Amino acid sequence: GAVVSQHPSWVICKSGTSVKIECRSLDFQATTMFWYRQFPKQSLMLMATSNEGSKATYEQGVEKDKFLINHASLTLSTLTVTSAHPEDSSFYICSARDRDRIHFGNGTRLTVT
Amino acid sequence: AQTVTQSQPEMSVQEAETVTLSCTYDTSESNYYLFWYKQPPSRQMILVIRQEAYKQQNATENRFSVNFQKAAKSFSLKISDSQLGDTAMYFCAFMKPLETSGSRLTFGEGTQLTVNP
Repeated sequence: GAVVSQHPSWVICKSGTSVKIECRSLDFQATTMFWYRQFPKQSLMLMATSNEGSKATYEQGVEKDKFLINHASLTLSTLTVTSAHPEDSSFYICSARDRDRIHFGNGTRLTVT
Repeated sequence: AQTVTQSQPEMSVQEAETVTLSCTYDTSESNYYLFWYKQPPSRQMILVIRQEAYKQQNATENRFSVNFQKAAKSFSLKISDSQLGDTAMYFCAFMKPLETSGSRLTFGEGTQLTVNP
């Protein structure tokens, strides 16, 4: 079956540094990928929709300069958390669309100290 | 805009029994997709079942089945013969057809299901 690989699965960084999270579709081409943020015991909150070769579409309230999304190829989208602060600590999940199916990565737990 | 509501934050069931999780949604679309996802403690998102709105027949996947009531905009999940491994957070989700602008998954708040031995 289709697989989406998300890396790293967990990361700890110091406040003020930037962190990049990768989301790869391993056996299909994903023209559209999605990035979510999830707080403990809460639902997934869509941050942005990433389209290959074009700028990402951010949801209201999400800082595009803070959360940089790049979708440079049909199999890779990246989310960079710039100048991370402790309040950015969260669980980030990507998903990729393969025709009429949505496949999820396993998520990245980010801790900013 | 679409909204998805899960009114049961937590539920519990005894092993081998049946449990039903509720979900309602609001949309002006006539065609769309509905999903139930399971998120165990590992936090991996696992697709449980999917329903296409134009199909009247309720979807089933082994012990999992749905009761899709389009007019009532209701999409409940029934888990039969509950197993300990079914313990997880369950999310109901809505998606417009792919060709529709802004097609993406909209999730409900989730229901934490605990299966007791």
